[in-house]
Amino acid sequence: NAGVTQTPKFRILKIGQSMTLQCTQDMNHNYMYWYRQDPGMGLKLIYYSVGAGITDKGEVPNGYNVSRSTTEDFPLRLELAAPSQTSVYFCASSYSGTSGGAGTDTQYFGPGTRLTVL
Amino acid sequence: QQQVKQSPQSLIVQKGGISIINCAYENTAFDYFPWYQQFPGKGPALLIAIRPDVSEKKEGRFTISFNKSAKQFSLHIMDSQPGDSATYFCAASRANFGNEKLTFGTGTRLTIIP
Repeated sequence: NAGVTQTPKFRILKIGQSMTLQCTQDMNHNYMYWYRQDPGMGLKLIYYSVGAGITDKGEVPNGYNVSRSTTEDFPLRLELAAPSQTSVYFCASSYSGTSGGAGTDTQYFGPGTRLTVL
Repeated sequence: QQQVKQSPQSLIVQKGGISIINCAYENTAFDYFPWYQQFPGKGPALLIAIRPDVSEKKEGRFTISFNKSAKQFSLHIMDSQPGDSATYFCAASRANFGNEKLTFGTGTRLTIIP
């Protein structure tokens, strides 16, 4: 298994440009997440999905959009890039059954995308 | 806003020494406390986790100590090695179906010197 893969690894955008960060997992996980990591700030949840067709906002969703059309893919869309979106973006996935304990399932992270907006 | 406060921000420990990282939480509904380890250029990976029904969990050189009354938990790395140099994040969540969100601390950059 490749686990969680993210593309691209690096990207430089100009203010106002748009882009999509790709995330794919091959572990048949039902839950997927997008985080941003800024120095000294830890990991902040942007959006998450509990299954295909279901997404919900996290702590810092403004300026981003997501979709989940398949179990495997969870792309993150930046419509109008701003310097405040300069960050490292991580996608993660986990598997949770219906018997409960979803909040305790191990999240598996991808290698990250380093985005700079100039 | 649910918070998890982590300290110190950075830590330098000599090889063979004990590394200690502390976290404190506010939400008494939290009942799952994992630690994630992140190497430069990589995504975080689960290191060890604890539930509040025990006060300590040990896996090899890594131990979590948990103090429910003080709402604090800590990571102890015994016999610290240069390969342990990484950023460590504590986190917390509620173990209820329908709550899938981890709240992370701000991270501790650990450096082990020879």
